[in-house]
Amino acid sequence: GENVEQHPSTLSVQEGDSAVIKCTYSDSASNYFPWYKQELGKGPQLIIDIRSNVGEKKDQRIAVTLNKTAKHFSLHITETQPEDSAVYFCAANGNNRLAFGKGNQVVVIP
Amino acid sequence: NAGVTQTPKFRVLKTGQSMTLLCAQDMNHEYMYWYRQDPGMGLRLIHYSVGEGTTAKGEVPDGYNVSRLKKQNFLLGLESAAPSQTSVYFCASSYSVGLYNEQFFGPGTRLTVL
Repeated sequence: GENVEQHPSTLSVQEGDSAVIKCTYSDSASNYFPWYKQELGKGPQLIIDIRSNVGEKKDQRIAVTLNKTAKHFSLHITETQPEDSAVYFCAANGNNRLAFGKGNQVVVIP
Repeated sequence: NAGVTQTPKFRVLKTGQSMTLLCAQDMNHEYMYWYRQDPGMGLRLIHYSVGEGTTAKGEVPDGYNVSRLKKQNFLLGLESAAPSQTSVYFCASSYSVGLYNEQFFGPGTRLTVL
């Protein structure tokens, strides 16, 4: 089955700087790559996703890039704000379900 | 719309006790999922359902059973709870039976087994 890995596990950034989280996946048949944000005490919530027919997608301060050849995709957050502090999960699809990475704790330092 | 709701929010069990976690969704979604979340382990799929009356095993199904008698409900059962089942449990649902499955998560149930 699909295996998704995330790096780094914890990321601290100064407010206003950019944050980048990288994920790798194993199944070349995967074609849907969502990113979820989980705030403390809540369930994960989809923030952006990308399909394999595009290489980049942007939504305001958030962007995701996909490199199918290398089988990795990344989440980019620009102009970070305190409310961006959360755990971020990447995922990849396969067999009608999603395989999640282990998550990255992002801490934005005011 | 309430989205995905989970009952209860918290529960403490003794080893060997049984319980059922209830998940309900009001979005008419076909797919429903149960995950457990442990520190440093991310989200691991326990069981899932692709439609009313169907269930399938995920990554970590041992010690759990599920039922999907109604499309809007997905129940997770622990017949004989063990301390290793202490975790936060999330239910999710998705609308698509195709390849692009945005999943909507519930708020979670924190379970402690003593």
